[in-house]
Amino acid sequence: EVQLVESGGGLVRPGGSLRLSCAASGFSFSDHYMDWVRQVPGKGLEWLGRSRDKAHHYSTEYAASVQGRFTISRDASKDSLYLQMNILTTEDTAVYHCARVRTSGSYDLDFWGQGTLVTVSS
Amino acid sequence: IQLTQSPSSLSASVGDRVTITCRAGQDISSFLAWYQQRPGNAPKVLIYAASTLQSGVPSRFSGSGSGTDFTLTISSLQPEDFATYHCQQFKSYPVTFGQGTKVEIK
Repeated sequence: EVQLVESGGGLVRPGGSLRLSCAASGFSFSDHYMDWVRQVPGKGLEWLGRSRDKAHHYSTEYAASVQGRFTISRDASKDSLYLQMNILTTEDTAVYHCARVRTSGSYDLDFWGQGTLVTVSS
Repeated sequence: IQLTQSPSSLSASVGDRVTITCRAGQDISSFLAWYQQRPGNAPKVLIYAASTLQSGVPSRFSGSGSGTDFTLTISSLQPEDFATYHCQQFKSYPVTFGQGTKVEIK
């Protein structure tokens, strides 16, 4: 069974940093692209970025809104995906989801984690 | 690529046929997916590649369109279908989502 479990959310001051983790199981983690998506409560979904698979050297893409502040990485030995978030502002308050990208030619997100809440407040 | 969903919300009754549209700001071929999100839950993919039904999703859901205009149809609305629906394009980076359509009970 595919499972994605996020952790690391919490309360952080403006200007601070936080690292989120996503523990993957039930599939070949290295063979899948993985995304981070966030959602401000009551609002829509915002794509943050992508880590490609091992074959593509885990290269990354980012949304303009987080480019230079957020960094996506992986630890293949732990089947874990990470989101390092720096210089946080109140606008980064949201639920953060990791999601698996389908491998069969479509690039939709076929499995999602339940998310972890990040609150940026003084 | 901007995605515009309409309507933003709708009220419908059990058994109704419901149609939600998603318009892309430029041609995205069939690189579009639809997601359902119930309150408190993560999104779940319903349709990918514009018209392919995800395994396990009831056949009352269908998707159509290509290029810039797409449609999600629920042929006969069921109580468990009251949720928010999102479209997503993955033709080019950055990946983008529509603003969502909330389907409420009439």
